[in-house]
Amino acid sequence: SQQGEEDPQALSIQEGENATMNCSYKTSINNLQWYRQNSGRGLVHLILIRSNEREKHSGRLRVTLDTSKKSSSLLITASRAADTASYFCATDGVGGTASKLTFGTGTRLQVTL
Amino acid sequence: NAGVTQTPKFQVLKTGQSMTLQCAQDMNHEYMSWYRQDPGMGLRLIHYSVGAGITDQGEVPNGYNVSRSTTEDFPLRLLSAAPSQTSVYFCASSYGGKGTEAFFGQGTRLTVV
Repeated sequence: SQQGEEDPQALSIQEGENATMNCSYKTSINNLQWYRQNSGRGLVHLILIRSNEREKHSGRLRVTLDTSKKSSSLLITASRAADTASYFCATDGVGGTASKLTFGTGTRLQVTL
Repeated sequence: NAGVTQTPKFQVLKTGQSMTLQCAQDMNHEYMSWYRQDPGMGLRLIHYSVGAGITDQGEVPNGYNVSRSTTEDFPLRLLSAAPSQTSVYFCASSYGGKGTEAFFGQGTRLTVV
């Protein structure tokens, strides 16, 4: 079964605005990652946050993780038209060493000029 | 620097036919995985491998076989195609297990009629 739900399913903003996407998951995790998918393309890794971390930054990206609420958020600041894509959270469960990512349903972000 | 290469990009099969989706990576990654992406469902893990000669099932393995004879290649075989296998298939690799980013191929769009 799907691990994560993402909210909102779709988001439309203007260039320069901030975009916030949320991800909820069901079981304990080892780490959580965010990926971007441009239309018709493969997924590209954006950022990884470990279960013992609460916040992480990378350029215009800010990720938070609340393991007590089993949720994460991705903030993209000063959005650009090139940020238009679908964004997915992916979790790695506890136990074992193999990476078996469980993906959320994704948020489609549209950034207009 | 090719990364993860999937072939073919598009394929149409008739019900009952078999075929192999190819995946090759040139990054010497030990971990490789196959996912399928269906509308509104994110990506789901089909099979994965932690090294040459070692494979295991993911969330949705039925109807698919894999083998890993070399570090570079991880083909996915559809034994007898069914319309329910119409999907976009992604191969991914990573240099480590949990806590490492996955590199994705561009995907294979498969239609079973």
